[in-house]
Amino acid sequence: QSVLTQPPSASGTPGQRVTVSCSGSSSNIGSNTVNWYQQLPGTAPKLLIFSNYQRPSGVPDRFSGSKSGTSASLAISGLQSEDEADYYCAGWDDSLKVVLFGGGTKLTVL
Amino acid sequence: QVQLQESGPGLVKPSQTLSLTCTVSGDSVSSGNYYWSWIRQPAGKGLEWIGRISPSGSTNYDPSLKSRVTLSVDTSKNQFSLKLSSVTAADTAVYYCARETVILIKIAATWFDPWGQGTLVTVSS
Repeated sequence: QSVLTQPPSASGTPGQRVTVSCSGSSSNIGSNTVNWYQQLPGTAPKLLIFSNYQRPSGVPDRFSGSKSGTSASLAISGLQSEDEADYYCAGWDDSLKVVLFGGGTKLTVL
Repeated sequence: QVQLQESGPGLVKPSQTLSLTCTVSGDSVSSGNYYWSWIRQPAGKGLEWIGRISPSGSTNYDPSLKSRVTLSVDTSKNQFSLKLSSVTAADTAVYYCARETVILIKIAATWFDPWGQGTLVTVSS
């Protein structure tokens, strides 16, 4: 079981807004920044959000990140079929001295 | 455009050493701005951080793998490498290399971008 906890699955219909949560602790999310990665089927992960809410160049503004206390969230608005993927949160843990990944959330577009 | 490409044997026997190399193009492994990292993903499972190396050669490893992992950098070839000893079937995974941004000012901000395409390593006799 991952130290960063994500729901294993999420779903939505095209055009909807969905959120994916990531729950941690004071030594990781509570102390440091959170990143989100998108992994399309059969491909390598891609950076989606860094430093809690920053989007790399090329990432649509439909994707947004937020953090509060020891939890973080990824929101996807205007859901599209191509958003169907696995989403992972990640960040540094001060106690374990490791980069932690959440267990991943499989997003299905119905 | 920065690109990373993993290479190495796709099949390793149990108890032997897994060796992978990541070739970097569009950036220099000796530049001081980034770390160079390895992450793996067992089939159907999530991502696992293995460790990172700085251009100066300083390393951080996941404690659960630390005794078996060695990372190195070859600036002449613009490559960095992973060696994982005494492998078992549990080490079977897709292995990714990635460039890691690490900012340590009061808090730790660290992210991986870009990633290599990944290479599947199977541990089997």
